[in-house]
Amino acid sequence: AQTVTQSQPEMSVQEAETVTLSCTYDTSESDYYLFWYKQPPSRQMILVIRQEAYKQQNATENRFSVNFQKAAKSFSLKISDSQLGDAAMYFCAYRSASIVYMRFGAGTRLTVKP
Amino acid sequence: NAGVTQTPKFRVLKTGQSMTLLCAQDMNHEYMYWYRQDPGMGLRLIHYSVGEGTTAKGEVPDGYNVSRLKKQNFLLGLESAAPSQTSVYFCASLLGRFVGEQYFGPGTRLTVT
Repeated sequence: AQTVTQSQPEMSVQEAETVTLSCTYDTSESDYYLFWYKQPPSRQMILVIRQEAYKQQNATENRFSVNFQKAAKSFSLKISDSQLGDAAMYFCAYRSASIVYMRFGAGTRLTVKP
Repeated sequence: NAGVTQTPKFRVLKTGQSMTLLCAQDMNHEYMYWYRQDPGMGLRLIHYSVGEGTTAKGEVPDGYNVSRLKKQNFLLGLESAAPSQTSVYFCASLLGRFVGEQYFGPGTRLTVT
């Protein structure tokens, strides 16, 4: 079964600095999607960034970028120029093309210090 | 376009009571899901549906039932609530298998006393 591991339950970063959240996954599939979701105190799940496994180029969305290492099964999220509004729970998620549901990691709580 | 909506947003039940959570989506998505979120465990899949009239079990289906009589609605039922079902419940939908990310509802906080 596919599993997703987030080894950092909590992280903190100084405002305007850069932070990297780690995620590893286990799968025997070759065609899959990876996601990072943000969950602020409002509880709403917000998609931050996604990566298709067949794409070698790392995805980027403004201040958010990923480091996708397919062979190592690693998918880390880098947040640059951290802002107070980035404080939230961040979930890494995996979905294979052959299975229509997602598997989530346990989450990383990010604190941003002013 | 409301996206994915959930009713109710909060509920308190006594042990043994029953209730139904309603999820609705107006995006004509094929797939719909129910997850529960517990501290330190991320989101875990309860049940899901790949189309109108179909349902399937996820990782933690015990104590829950679902129905998808209409494409836009996915109902989650608790027949006899237990304190272990205290959780935040999320509904999600997906347009199609190869389309990408799921869209989530705002969540329902359920407390069973």
